[in-house]
Amino acid sequence: TQLLEQSPQFLSIQEGENLTVYCNSSSVFSSLQWYRQEPGEGPVLLVTVVTGGEVKKLKRLTFQFGDARKDSSLHITAAQPGDTGLYLCAGGRLTGGGNKLTFGTGTQLKVEL
Amino acid sequence: NAGVTQTPKFQVLKTGQSMTLQCAQDMNHEYMSWYRQDPGMGLRLIHYSVGAGITDQGEVPNGYNVSRSTTEDFPLRLLSAAPSQTSVYFCASSYGGHRYRETQYFGPGTRLLVL
Repeated sequence: TQLLEQSPQFLSIQEGENLTVYCNSSSVFSSLQWYRQEPGEGPVLLVTVVTGGEVKKLKRLTFQFGDARKDSSLHITAAQPGDTGLYLCAGGRLTGGGNKLTFGTGTQLKVEL
Repeated sequence: NAGVTQTPKFQVLKTGQSMTLQCAQDMNHEYMSWYRQDPGMGLRLIHYSVGAGITDQGEVPNGYNVSRSTTEDFPLRLLSAAPSQTSVYFCASSYGGHRYRETQYFGPGTRLLVL
């Protein structure tokens, strides 16, 4: 089993602060996706990165795929209460059965006023 | 489009009982999958299907059966429930499952408690 470790596991910050979430593995992935999950709902895709070193920005969120495609980071600038949720990374590998995703352990973010 | 729907939302079972978790999608997606989510462990793949009539095992298939008779439906069966199967179950679908940037759409989940 290829494990994806996320850190920190929990994060509680004030509105306006910056934060970074890390997703690390000893295995190489073909792609890396980030999801956000709200209580009582399923995960929703935020972004997919596929090239080593790739950086993508989604408003105040910046995603980076490591050069060796083993790790990724999510940086949020000026966090807002609406950013609260569970953030999950997922590494993808193409197999005969399609793009198999291995999910990270999750980071629970709480942004307070 | 309703997207991916799951029923029931919540279920309590006794050890040894069987049940079927329903999943349906109305997006004509070929690829469908079942995950379970447990605290501190992310989502783990149970079974998946690349099209009607084709299913395969994921990471944690023991104790679960699936079938895919239509493109729309992908039920998950628990043969004899055990407390270790207490979890939140998510069904997901995507267009073909073969491309890196493909979006998987998740249902709202079924919360299962096995006593």
